[in-house]
Amino acid sequence: AQSVTQPDIHITVSEGASLELRCNYSYGATPYLFWYVQSPGQGLQLLLKYFSGDTLVQGIKGFEAEFKRSQSSFNLRKPSVHWSDAAEYFCAVGAPVGGKLTFGQGTILTVHP
Amino acid sequence: DARVTQTPRDKVTEMGQEVTMRCQPILGHNTVFWYRQTMMQGLELLAYFRNRAPLDDSGMPKDRFSAEMPDATLATLKIQPSEPRDSAVYFCASEKQEHSYEQYFGPGTRLTVT
Repeated sequence: AQSVTQPDIHITVSEGASLELRCNYSYGATPYLFWYVQSPGQGLQLLLKYFSGDTLVQGIKGFEAEFKRSQSSFNLRKPSVHWSDAAEYFCAVGAPVGGKLTFGQGTILTVHP
Repeated sequence: DARVTQTPRDKVTEMGQEVTMRCQPILGHNTVFWYRQTMMQGLELLAYFRNRAPLDDSGMPKDRFSAEMPDATLATLKIQPSEPRDSAVYFCASEKQEHSYEQYFGPGTRLTVT
């Protein structure tokens, strides 16, 4: 069965600092990988996705993520964080058959001015 | 700007009462998902439909939960009878194309069962 682990429950960064959120997955084949963001009181919004090909994928709002098969990781990065990036971030893995997503527990990002 | 809508946004009810949550997927989206989010369990998939047919409801407690799509513009999730452990935020999401994995989430229904 597929699973996702986000090791960090809560991360705090200063505005303008770089950001990396960690995600490790467990899946028997090449996974489909995703990052979603949830602002307070809102539903989830897709930031970016990886299906195949280039292992560095670009997303919305200046985010990028890198798929590393050897480490079973799909970490999310942003060079310079803005206060509006404060939210909860979810990594997810999808099976090529069925269309379902399995989400990690989420990482809460706090941005200090 | 097309969005998934959910009603009600907040619901407080007493244990034993029936609760119905509604979702209007984005027009043209053929797949609808129901999720439940709690602090303890995180985001769990309850059920999903494609072209109005239920594909998987294995995540849903069958004895009290039911999900339906009466038509392409409406999905419902019912709990009868409700229990305090059902307190959570329930999200509906829709997807335009099979296997696109781009799920568009509604704002959620926050359910509190006292």
